[in-house]
Amino acid sequence: DTAVSQTPKYLVTQMGNDKSIKCEQNLGHDTMYWYKQDSKKFLKIMFSYNNKELIINETVPNRFSPKSPDKAHLNLHINSLELGDSAVYFCASSQDGERPLHFGNGTRLTVT
Amino acid sequence: EDQVTQSPEALRLQEGESSSLNCSYTVSGLRGLFWYRQDPGKGPEFLFTLYSAGEEKEKERLKATLTKKESFLHITAPKPEDSATYLCAVQANGSEKLVFGKGTKLTVNP
Repeated sequence: DTAVSQTPKYLVTQMGNDKSIKCEQNLGHDTMYWYKQDSKKFLKIMFSYNNKELIINETVPNRFSPKSPDKAHLNLHINSLELGDSAVYFCASSQDGERPLHFGNGTRLTVT
Repeated sequence: EDQVTQSPEALRLQEGESSSLNCSYTVSGLRGLFWYRQDPGKGPEFLFTLYSAGEEKEKERLKATLTKKESFLHITAPKPEDSATYLCAVQANGSEKLVFGKGTKLTVNP
């Protein structure tokens, strides 16, 4: 059973389009995150949600909007995609925000 | 600002050749230091959490240690299956986010 699952695994789209990435965790954790890993493999936090409430919102363009319908799901919607948005996006979860993060296998977004 | 620097960026070892990876950090009050392993095309996989200077943890051929300024991941008699990128991250007191280093890409040749 996959603990943190993301879909799709690959996403290729053109500039200006709007796309969504879905994430689900079956660990019963109450905190979920989105991290971005750029071409230099640098992993940086974007957002975190605790029980559907936004806790962390790093300096991310407002074209990125997370949505948490329940504490097991955290989706990422991106409007007006730009070339610089190309990266691997990882969803993660943890219990209480203090325990180790469990990561999904990532969504590789390519904007052409 | 919290910061993590890992060295070397890449390391090639022969099977059985022990070595260490370094993680230097600056943080405004350390809640925890984390080591993760990342294989190509996969998400980071948790290895260890260290909370205070002097703490050590072991798992198979890996041993992580912590001082007030840095952490080391010692790899004893590595095998080719230990090849991966090893990521270090810190979490500050009162924060829920992890700040990651850029990782060390380890290649173990048979």
